[in-house]
Amino acid sequence: QQQVKQSPQSLIVQKGGISIINCAYENTAFDYFPWYQQFPGKGPALLIAIRPDVSEKKEGRFTISFNKSAKQFSLHIMDSQPGDSATYFCAASINSGNTPLVFGKGTRLSVIA
Amino acid sequence: NAGVTQTPKFRVLKTGQSMTLLCAQDMNHEYMYWYRQDPGMGLRLIHYSVGEGTTAKGEVPDGYNVSRLKKQNFLLGLESAAPSQTSVYFCASTEYPGELFFGEGSRLTVL
Repeated sequence: QQQVKQSPQSLIVQKGGISIINCAYENTAFDYFPWYQQFPGKGPALLIAIRPDVSEKKEGRFTISFNKSAKQFSLHIMDSQPGDSATYFCAASINSGNTPLVFGKGTRLSVIA
Repeated sequence: NAGVTQTPKFRVLKTGQSMTLLCAQDMNHEYMYWYRQDPGMGLRLIHYSVGEGTTAKGEVPDGYNVSRLKKQNFLLGLESAAPSQTSVYFCASTEYPGELFFGEGSRLTVL
């Protein structure tokens, strides 16, 4: 049973455009929502994370928007650059317990010039 | 700091052979995880450990065994490799659940 649904599976964006990746979750006990970025041949690395007490978190060109009532959260990449081309994973967990992160299936982003 | 180190990075096995993947972390993290990554399937949790001497099953544990005899090491074993276990395996660790530090992966091919 997939607990975090991620879309789209792949995304092509023009340089300078906005990349948007969406995730939806089912378990209302989740209270920690990170995004991981993975470059080819490398392991994933934490990009940005949010907790449900805020609706938005911004770090540079990367923003997480969180909608608790809809049980959805999304990653926005502003002014997308070719160097942002990577696979992005959303995830969720119950941070206060020993439950592992549950990952979405990933979105392969290609930013073209 | 080396962070999370996985060995070997590449391995080719024949069906039925056994092997062990080693994960070592130098951050004194309590929690360690083994994931497999397959195209279109994302990261799927195989087994994990919440501390030295503990192990627990994840989403796809069948065909794998693990051991956490030392806090810094988490071993993933395949007793009788099958072609379905061809994958890229990632180890990760964290001080508390959530912010994972991943290794660079071990690419396994089972013929």
